[in-house]
Amino acid sequence: GAGVSQSPSNKVTEKGKDVELRCDPISGHTALYWYRQSLGQGLEFLIYFQGNSAPDKSGLPSDRFSAERTGGSVSTLTIQRTQQEDSAVYLCASSLEQGAISGNTIYFGEGSWLTVV
Amino acid sequence: AQKVTQAQTEISVVEKEDVTLDCVYETRDTTYYLFWYKQPPSGELVFLIRRNSFDEQNEISGRYSWNFQKSTSSFNFTITASQVVDSAVYFCALSEAFVSGAGSYQLTFGKGTKLSVIP
Repeated sequence: GAGVSQSPSNKVTEKGKDVELRCDPISGHTALYWYRQSLGQGLEFLIYFQGNSAPDKSGLPSDRFSAERTGGSVSTLTIQRTQQEDSAVYLCASSLEQGAISGNTIYFGEGSWLTVV
Repeated sequence: AQKVTQAQTEISVVEKEDVTLDCVYETRDTTYYLFWYKQPPSGELVFLIRRNSFDEQNEISGRYSWNFQKSTSSFNFTITASQVVDSAVYFCALSEAFVSGAGSYQLTFGKGTKLSVIP
């Protein structure tokens, strides 16, 4: 597609349930990022993929968070046993090979708004 | 570790005024990249500009201009003759070219500056 596509756009879930957020990057982009933005806050890095591997997972806040990427394309961010503090916008972004460390621009999707009640 | 500081949390200006958004960064790397993004009320992050550490030329794009000064580790953004459509949160970001460990691959963002342009 023309841009980074994320689904769902909005998700309301009950505390304790698992959620999956999907990201479809720009075609040809091998670098993929997940960020989180809590209400009124800045952008918090979660994980970086180069192809299907994740050389940097340092931003995942707990073991309830995981992500995978298949076929060098679509990525899924999974949050298990959701808590209210997980409520945020989850932003996916993609870039050409090696992403930001090579100075490539990172393009963001519109985000998935997650509300845990 | 890299760090970006946007000291101005919120700025309000009257339409047609000029406004400068400050960005100060910290890095130990000699090769790095600086970015500005705009986040309007609709929420999507829109890329505005990228600058590498070896290119200190200032850039102008329409009403937007950027002043990169390595001596002060600053990459400030000026909007001339502001318009209501400029109302948004603006983020400055930094990435380093050297992979030194966890977090090296990320684009590090400042906290953002919320700009309100009043008609």
